[in-house]
Amino acid sequence: DSGVTQTPKHLITATGQRVTLRCSPRSGDLSVYWYQQSLDQGLQFLIQYYNGEERAKGNILERFSAQQFPDLHSELNLSSLELGDSALYFCASSVAGGQPGEKLFFGSGTQLSVL
Amino acid sequence: AQSVTQPDIHITVSEGASLELRCNYSYGATPYLFWYVQSPGQGLQLLLKYFSGDTLVQGIKGFEAEFKRSQSSFNLRKPSVHWSDAAEYFCAVGAGRNTDKLIFGTGTRLQVFP
Repeated sequence: DSGVTQTPKHLITATGQRVTLRCSPRSGDLSVYWYQQSLDQGLQFLIQYYNGEERAKGNILERFSAQQFPDLHSELNLSSLELGDSALYFCASSVAGGQPGEKLFFGSGTQLSVL
Repeated sequence: AQSVTQPDIHITVSEGASLELRCNYSYGATPYLFWYVQSPGQGLQLLLKYFSGDTLVQGIKGFEAEFKRSQSSFNLRKPSVHWSDAAEYFCAVGAGRNTDKLIFGTGTRLQVFP
């Protein structure tokens, strides 16, 4: 158990809908990362938050947004969903998030299926 | 831009055989390199990492990796594979300043036959 909790584990929805994925980092970790894993794109970094502020941005679509709350949990919002958004979405956390090479702890992911 | 290439999409070995998974990276400075393993239905677990110093890095579960700057490689090895090692393996490079986001390769799926 990595200590990172993601809910829900599975999510099935329809095209055009909006969903929210939730992540609770390990106790004491200030940074949260979101990754998307799909068959065609592999593991893609989406976005990182550190102590409530956006720290780094990757290949995140404009239809997607994220935030980190004062209690350090994070939510990834996906809107106007398309079939191609079907993927496994991982959250990871680390202690600080400013040191290259710091260890990331991954949750077990949310499997999103867009029908 | 930083990138990681894992040339082998799928590898099959017999239990007890040796294993080498290939990883090549592209990065301008000294890289921070990682190997993660993903078992079915699980998140990613760190096997080992390289920052500096000794180029042969020992990890968990009997894995090791060797950093070769001249070849831009960070191959993962295990002398004797166990059936429980069947999983997907990801090589990654730490990218950017003031962030420890990782750039992952596309992964290598390892199948182990008894």
